[in-house]
Amino acid sequence: AQSVAQPEDQVNVAEGNPLTVKCTYSVSGNPYLFWYVQYPNRGLQFLLKYITGDNLVKGSYGFEAEFNKSQTSFHLKKPSALVSDSALYFCAVRAADDYKLSFGAGTTVTVRA
Amino acid sequence: NAGVTQTPKFRILKIGQSMTLQCTQDMNHNYMYWYRQDPGMGLKLIYYSVGAGITDKGEVPNGYNVSRSTTEDFPLRLELAAPSQTSVYFCASSYWGGTGGSGNTIYFGEGSWLTVV
Repeated sequence: AQSVAQPEDQVNVAEGNPLTVKCTYSVSGNPYLFWYVQYPNRGLQFLLKYITGDNLVKGSYGFEAEFNKSQTSFHLKKPSALVSDSALYFCAVRAADDYKLSFGAGTTVTVRA
Repeated sequence: NAGVTQTPKFRILKIGQSMTLQCTQDMNHNYMYWYRQDPGMGLKLIYYSVGAGITDKGEVPNGYNVSRSTTEDFPLRLELAAPSQTSVYFCASSYWGGTGGSGNTIYFGEGSWLTVV
């Protein structure tokens, strides 16, 4: 079975400060890892994914994520947060030979001006 | 390119009523999914389909039915609505070309907010 843990329900940062949203996973075999963002009353928007290769993945809106196999983590980062980054963020994982995603419970990010 | 389109956006149902959530995608994706989102619980897979005429249960299928008569459409049917089905429903799709390195992204619709009273 595969699973995702997002240990923080909420993350609060000041605008301009670095933003980190944590994610750890459990999966059999090689993981495919994803980050999605959800704005209020909207669907999930794809941010970035790790499939293979460089452990640092760059995605939309200045976000990046680092895959760490030994720690089974895939933390989302942004060097300088914006108020408009305030949203709900989901980490998701699937095994390389599976087509179903498993999601974490989500982390609410609030960036204050 | 519209992507994944869901209707209706909002709906209030009475206990025992039935309804169908419509979903269509124009990306020629072979895989389609229905998820429900409950606060603090992430997304749970209800049903999925690997192609026209083929569907299978996900984690939480009870109280729902699906069909897939075409590649584009994947409606979700709620029979005898219950308060426990109050949730936000997301349809999604992806292209799956087989095991290995495709790593294809699942794309989501905008969601359908359903309240059962």
